[in-house]
Order: sequence, then structure tokens, then C-alpha cells
Amino acid sequence: EAGVTQFPSHSVIEKGQTVTLRCDPISGHDNLYWYRRVMGKEIKFLLHFVKESKQDESGMPNNRFLAERTGGTYSTLKVQPAELEDSGVYFCASSQGVLPYEQYFGPGTRLTVT
Amino acid sequence: AQKITQTQPGMFVQEKEAVTLDCTYDTSDQSYGLFWYKQPSSGEMIFLIYQGSYDEQNATEGRYSLNFQKARKSANLVISASQLGDSAMYFCAMSVFKAAGNKLTFGGGTRVLVKP
Repeated sequence: EAGVTQFPSHSVIEKGQTVTLRCDPISGHDNLYWYRRVMGKEIKFLLHFVKESKQDESGMPNNRFLAERTGGTYSTLKVQPAELEDSGVYFCASSQGVLPYEQYFGPGTRLTVT
Repeated sequence: AQKITQTQPGMFVQEKEAVTLDCTYDTSDQSYGLFWYKQPSSGEMIFLIYQGSYDEQNATEGRYSLNFQKARKSANLVISASQLGDSAMYFCAMSVFKAAGNKLTFGGGTRVLVKP
């Protein structure tokens, strides 16, 4: 069984540009989470999808971030326009159940905004 | 709101020795879970161990055990018989169990380096 995959693994963009991160959860997992770790800080929750619906987006930092999960399969996280403080590692996790320890994490996308 | 504190940014441990990673948490909720994740240099987050707030016994998973002291709000991870492959970042996390979903709140992490 394939794990959670994320693309790209690294992205370097200039301030003001747009970047789209993609997450493919484990097949059949209804729950999909986005987290990010900004340099030197804790990993922070961004949002949670149940199928295609946003269950909790309380962690989204501002309206420059847009997450979608069309058809309840893969998810994208778009940052537009990117700012320097958006640099960090963006993790995606998925789970079938609602228990937190069933969250399977992807390898992350390292985003660098210059 | 929940908060996780890991006071050890980094530590060395000798191979085959045990190491304790500290974690304290803060929440006003009664029903919650505590977790430890390992992040090796490859980047993926690997689930290690889970402790529920109502579990009376400390969780154990192979060489990992969680020293849960509810009154002190601490959930320290003990790794016994350290191996070179244990060198990694370790994150303590918690989740409050709610119907709306169980997002994880993480601490800042502890980097462990196992010396041969």
C-alpha cells in the first residue's frame, strides 16, 4: 500500500509568486490534514478535510492560502502571493478513522521563498 | 487551547543506553491523547507511541515507553537500549478528542544524536 505522497519535495520561489503544493493521501482515507513547520518553530495545524469538505480550517494563517480537495482524493495547497514568512516545511497527513494516532504523514514539501 | 513544551532542543546519548525525552502539556480538556513522533533525516514523520488521558497504565511499544504523569501534565518518552538509527528529531504532540476532528498540537521537538 502506497503511503502519503507530496509533490514537490522542494520548491524555491520568489516573493510574490504563486506555489501549489500537492498531497496524495493513502487510498480510501477520508481525512486529510495539512500542517506546516516554519523555521525554528513548532509544527502547526493548518486545516482538515473530511472527503471534499473543510472540517476545520482554523489554522490557515491568512487568505493568501487556499486549500482544495476536489472529489475527496488528492489535495492542493496554494500560496498566492508567497511571502518570506511562508518558508518552511508543509506536511500532509491522512487517516481513515478519526483517531489521531492513525494519521499517516507524508515526507513534506520544503518551501523556500526568497 | 492546547500547548506542548519540549525543553530539550538537543541531546547526545551513548549507544545502548536509555534516554528520556521530556514533554509537558497544557489543556483544560479531560479527554485527550498524547503522541510521540520520530522524524529522521529523510523527513517523514513516524508515529511511535500513544497514551490516552484515561489510560491507567503507561504505554509501551517495543523499546519505547511513555512515562505518563497526569497530575504533573507530563508525557516523557523513554527509549531504551539506544541504537544509531534512533538519531532523529522527536516530537511530542497532543490532540483533544472532539467530534470536529482531531488535529495534532506539536511541541518544538528534541534532536537526539546517538553516539557509537
